[in-house]
Parts: sequence; structure tokens; C-alpha cells
Amino acid sequence: GENVEQHPSTLSVQEGDSAVIKCTYSDSASNYFPWYKQELGKRPQLIIDIRSNVGEKKDQRIAVTLNKTAKHFSLHITETQPEDSAVYFCATLYSGAGSYQLTFGKGTKLSVIP
Amino acid sequence: EAGVAQSPRYKIIEKRQSVAFWCNPISGHATLYWYQQILGQGPKLLIQFQNNGVVDDSQLPKDRFSAERLKGVDSTLKIQPAKLEDSAVYLCASSLVQGGTNEQFFGPGTRLTVL
Repeated sequence: GENVEQHPSTLSVQEGDSAVIKCTYSDSASNYFPWYKQELGKRPQLIIDIRSNVGEKKDQRIAVTLNKTAKHFSLHITETQPEDSAVYFCATLYSGAGSYQLTFGKGTKLSVIP
Repeated sequence: EAGVAQSPRYKIIEKRQSVAFWCNPISGHATLYWYQQILGQGPKLLIQFQNNGVVDDSQLPKDRFSAERLKGVDSTLKIQPAKLEDSAVYLCASSLVQGGTNEQFFGPGTRLTVL
């Protein structure tokens, strides 16, 4: 099965700085890479995703880059704000045995210091 | 549109007791997922339904966990008997169809504490 490694596990940045979270995966057949944001006590919510035929995708202050050869992808948040503080999870879509299974990383707790 | 609904939101039981969780997916979503999220970790898929059929239950501990989606809409997840290590948040999610790149929408979760 798929194995997803996520780093760092915790990240503190000053408001206005950038934050970068990196994930590596093992299954070269994975072709979909979503990022979820989970605020304390709340449900995970999709914030951005990228498909394997694209190298980079941007949505306002959030961007995701994908390197399929190296099997890693990253989340970039620019001009961070206190409301960006949350746990961020990367995931990959693994298909096998007729199912499409999301495998999540262990999460990165981002703290934005005002 | 209404989101994924789950109940109860919190449950505290003693080990060896039984517990059941309920999920109502977004209307029209054919695919339903149950995840287990242990504190400090990402969600782990337990079981996936397509309509009322099981697509993947390879990570479901079948000696104690069971799930059903009899009419292809609501679903229940049961644990019998519970162990201490089952303490976690149980998340239900749904997507429009299977096939992967369709966004999964998560419910608020049920926080289970096993004493």
C-alpha cells in the first residue's frame, strides 16, 4: 500500500511570513494529491488539490507543487495570517483492488504568531 | 447544501462495551467512507461503500468492527467489544461518485473515549 511522509510535524511562523509543508509518497501510481486543513475540534476541509498532469497550482495565498519523478509535493502558504493556524494534512489517492483510497500524512500543526 | 451529518458527537464508554455511530451523507453522494483519526495522526480509512456495497474494508478490524449501509444512504459503524486503543475520532465522509478525484466531504466526527 501507499506510504505518505509529512514534514515538519509542527511549524511556527510570524504573521506575514511564508510556510512550506512537504510530503513524500511511495506509490508511483498515485495521481491525485489533496491538502486538507483541520481546525481544532473541526472536520478536515479540502483547501487545494493537484492532479498528476500538473506541476503547480495556485489559489490566492495557497499553492501546491508536485514533482512526480521525485514523488514529493509541497504546500506553500504566503502572507500567513493568524486564521491559517490549524493542522494541515497531505494525502494521496491510491487505487488498488477496485477502490480509490486516500492515504493521509500525519499532519503539520501550523501556528501563525501575530 | 446540507453537509455530512454524524451522531453522536461524543461518546464515552468502558472497555468491552459496545457502541454505534451514525452517518448521513450529502444527498446524492453514492460513495461513503468511515475513517478513524487517532489523536495526532491523519485519518485512516476503515471502510468504503459504493451505494450499499462494500468496496474496500481491508483496514477494518473485522473481529470487533462492523459497518453497514443497507439502503445506500445512511450508514452505521459499530464496535463490539471496544478496546482502549479504539479511542479516536470517527469521521464519516462522502463523495459524489467513486473514482477518486471527486472531493470527499467530511462530517464533524464522533469523538469516542474508551475507559
